[in-house]
Amino acid sequence: AQKVTQAQTEISVVEKEDVTLDCVYETRDTTYYLFWYKQPPSGELVFLIRRNSFDEQNEISGRYSWNFQKSTSSFNFTITASQVVDSAVYFCALSVEGSGYSTLTFGKGTMLLVSP
Amino acid sequence: DAMVIQNPRYQVTQFGKPVTLSCSQTLNHNVMYWYQQKSSQAPKLLFHYYDKDFNNEADTPDNFQSRRPNTSFCFLDIRSPGLGDAAMYLCATSSQRDLQSDTQYFGPGTRLTVL
Repeated sequence: AQKVTQAQTEISVVEKEDVTLDCVYETRDTTYYLFWYKQPPSGELVFLIRRNSFDEQNEISGRYSWNFQKSTSSFNFTITASQVVDSAVYFCALSVEGSGYSTLTFGKGTMLLVSP
Repeated sequence: DAMVIQNPRYQVTQFGKPVTLSCSQTLNHNVMYWYQQKSSQAPKLLFHYYDKDFNNEADTPDNFQSRRPNTSFCFLDIRSPGLGDAAMYLCATSSQRDLQSDTQYFGPGTRLTVL
């Protein structure tokens, strides 16, 4: 069975601070895919990034960066110079190849509150 | 431009009164999903359609049904809503069932209140 743990339930920072959201996953599959989604108060889940298990390169996209480490089964997400608009719930998710289809296993989410 | 559209955004129903939630997509994706998300919890997959092939999750209550009359539309029917069914219902799509080179794209959700 797959499992995703986001130990941080809620994080509060002040604008311009850097913040890292932790994600630890469990799976016995050797091929899997990791995702981060953002859910603002409006409710829509917005796709941020997808990473394959065989690609451990870290990625940077503007103020966002992701650190994937298979050795610790972690896929952490860092926001640099946070802004109020970053306030949202962030979900980490795991997908494995199943019997012809794959589903997303979500963590419980981390609520990020960025205050001015 | 909205790609996954859900109507209505807010739905109020009475205990035991059937309700239907709607999802449409402009992506022409083969797969459509329905998730239930209760307050402060992760989304939970209820079922998905691959084209016309319906796949129910093992723990989805019989009270929940779905219809997909064509590629663009998918409906979630709750036959007899209980208070515990109050939640956000999220629709998602993907081009293939295998997320090897794809992801799921979510709509804005319908927040269901049961009185």
